Amino acid sequence: EIVMTQSPATLSVSPGERATLSCRASQSISSNLAWYQQKPGQAPRLLIYDASIRATGIPARFSGSGSGTDFTLTISSLQSEDFAVYYCQQYYNWWTFGQGTKVEIK
Amino acid sequence: QVQLQESGPRLVKPSETLSLTCTVSGGSISNDYWSWIRQPPGKALEWIGYVYESGSANYKPSLQSRVTISVDRSKNQLSLELNSVTAADTAVYYCARGPNSSGYTWFDPWGQGTLVTVFS
Repeated sequence: EIVMTQSPATLSVSPGERATLSCRASQSISSNLAWYQQKPGQAPRLLIYDASIRATGIPARFSGSGSGTDFTLTISSLQSEDFAVYYCQQYYNWWTFGQGTKVEIK
Repeated sequence: QVQLQESGPRLVKPSETLSLTCTVSGGSISNDYWSWIRQPPGKALEWIGYVYESGSANYKPSLQSRVTISVDRSKNQLSLELNSVTAADTAVYYCARGPNSSGYTWFDPWGQGTLVTVFS
């Protein structure tokens, strides 16, 4: 099973600042990676797929990069509605998820 | 837009069967794949299995012996049955659309999830 490791577990950021979240796969997954946002009591929302393609309706401040084993989700200027938990997910071989990164207000 | 809503008992006793239903609204269950995913408290999301509108299904190997996912096209619903549950099956259970016919892909959209607790 491919293990996905996200870091940090918690990221404290001030509104308007940039947030950089990392996700590492235990083996190469090419670009078969998605990012999701989840707020308390809500369904996970697809942000990015194929490592760097924004899903429909996702603001341009969200961007994804990486391939192989190392991936990054960047939120260029954090808005109040962006404070949430973010998960990465690989779909190279079956489907596995990272443990999540909580982005909180600093 | 397609929306999903999970429903079913929130409490299940050990050794019994967990049964959940996911109702798809705003679109048809046809011509798509539909998955169940769960998240135990404090742990990562875990894909359980998927079903195609034809009824063919595929399950995570470690759960395969206990899981059945089915679809009811007349009701636009998919269902999950997990038998012989233990406390380790306590989790928030989500349904989601995906993967797609090209193979391994992402999941979108998801239901809000429902917490199922296994306890005696």
